[in-house]
Amino acid sequence: EPEVTQTPSHQVTQMGQEVILRCVPISNHLYFYWYRQILGQKVEFLVSFYNNEISEKSEIFDDQFSVERPDGSNFTLKIRSTKLEDSAMYFCASSDRAKGEKLFFGSGTQLSVL
Amino acid sequence: AQKVTQAQTEISVVEKEDVTLDCVYETRDTTYYLFWYKQPPSGELVFLIRRNSFDEQNEISGRYSWNFQKSTSSFNFTITASQVVDSAVYFCALSMEYGNKLVFGAGTILRVKS
Repeated sequence: EPEVTQTPSHQVTQMGQEVILRCVPISNHLYFYWYRQILGQKVEFLVSFYNNEISEKSEIFDDQFSVERPDGSNFTLKIRSTKLEDSAMYFCASSDRAKGEKLFFGSGTQLSVL
Repeated sequence: AQKVTQAQTEISVVEKEDVTLDCVYETRDTTYYLFWYKQPPSGELVFLIRRNSFDEQNEISGRYSWNFQKSTSSFNFTITASQVVDSAVYFCALSMEYGNKLVFGAGTILRVKS
């Protein structure tokens, strides 16, 4: 089965540093998402992206966050100035239809902000 | 507002026992979609099932079965003859008529002991 690939699997950074989390969605998918899961808590929606634009974003997704599809295969999440509370597992997901469709999730990037 | 409640934080069973994971949802939409995802210890999110709001048929897939009841806003998941490999966190999730944004429940930790 096709997979969503995320790199790196683990990222450690100092508070205030910028990080970029990378994802390669499934090749024929058009809808892309980022979710995060703080340790022991529920999975939370951050942002959805379609046609090179943000479709929807949550309150968590403030000005410190940005997403980009720099080429035909990658989808990135940038955190400009990391905070301790950004420590979480970040999941990328993709789907091939706009609504009611299952999301294919990557294995996640565990971000630790020290 | 949409909400998913998984009241069972953690369940422990002995192998071969049947176990039911509860999920109750809230939404004002008439069209919506319900999902179950599994998160094994390795951390990835694995899709198990999707149901739309107009399809109340129960579904069985091997040892897994799902009971969707609109009258009680519930979408419960039963594992028959549980196995150690079923040990994981199970998330119920809801998406609305438009878009694929998933609202997750808090998850239920299932521990199956041999």
